[in-house]
Amino acid sequence: DTAVSQTPKYLVTQMGNDKSIKCEQNLGHDTMYWYKQDSKKFLKIMFSYNNKELIINETVPNRFSPKSPDKAHLNLHINSLELGDSAVYFCASSQESARGGAFYTQYFGPGTRLTVL
Amino acid sequence: AQSVTQLGSHVSVSEGALVLLRCNYSSSVPPYLFWYVQYPNQGLQLLLKYTSAATLVKGINGFEAEFKKSETSFHLTKPSAHMSDAAEYFCAVQGAQKLVFGQGTRLTINP
Repeated sequence: DTAVSQTPKYLVTQMGNDKSIKCEQNLGHDTMYWYKQDSKKFLKIMFSYNNKELIINETVPNRFSPKSPDKAHLNLHINSLELGDSAVYFCASSQESARGGAFYTQYFGPGTRLTVL
Repeated sequence: AQSVTQLGSHVSVSEGALVLLRCNYSSSVPPYLFWYVQYPNQGLQLLLKYTSAATLVKGINGFEAEFKKSETSFHLTKPSAHMSDAAEYFCAVQGAQKLVFGQGTRLTINP
């Protein structure tokens, strides 16, 4: 009955490889997000999708490509992995995005710890 | 653009003592503010949120926060710390289509 789930929880890979992280939410939310948490614990938005439509792309390298097959899933594919990509990646979802100043709450998944060697 | 600043990257208190974690915000519009907690090797859990309904907001696990517009602050408090409160705490403000987080404060509880 997990609300926002991510797989895998841990991912260790070599530089140059391509990898994907999957996210699913069973809350019926319209909007999903990817955040990156660096080694200093700083959290920053990467992408957001609303009903499968890209809303935010926060100057993320184009090696990162989110894919939303339906509004309950938002996967993150990363090409040509670099050492600097090592981080914890969090998926989140909310009922709606902030339109017209509306308030919304984001619910986070457990995170995927990516280590690039 | 909205932003938050958390004062103190590390706070250490004794078990049973008052917990005070500081957060100041910057926003050109009335803000929506949040506190999240991250336990070791876990995701973020919502502690409480301010949505302009009441300035004193009560959350889970005995935490509360007070919105003070005059001070642009949203500090998190708990009257009596418990060992299980040891975690990383994040203040966040709702921006355009996203949450903007502070740098985080690590709370350590001393026995």
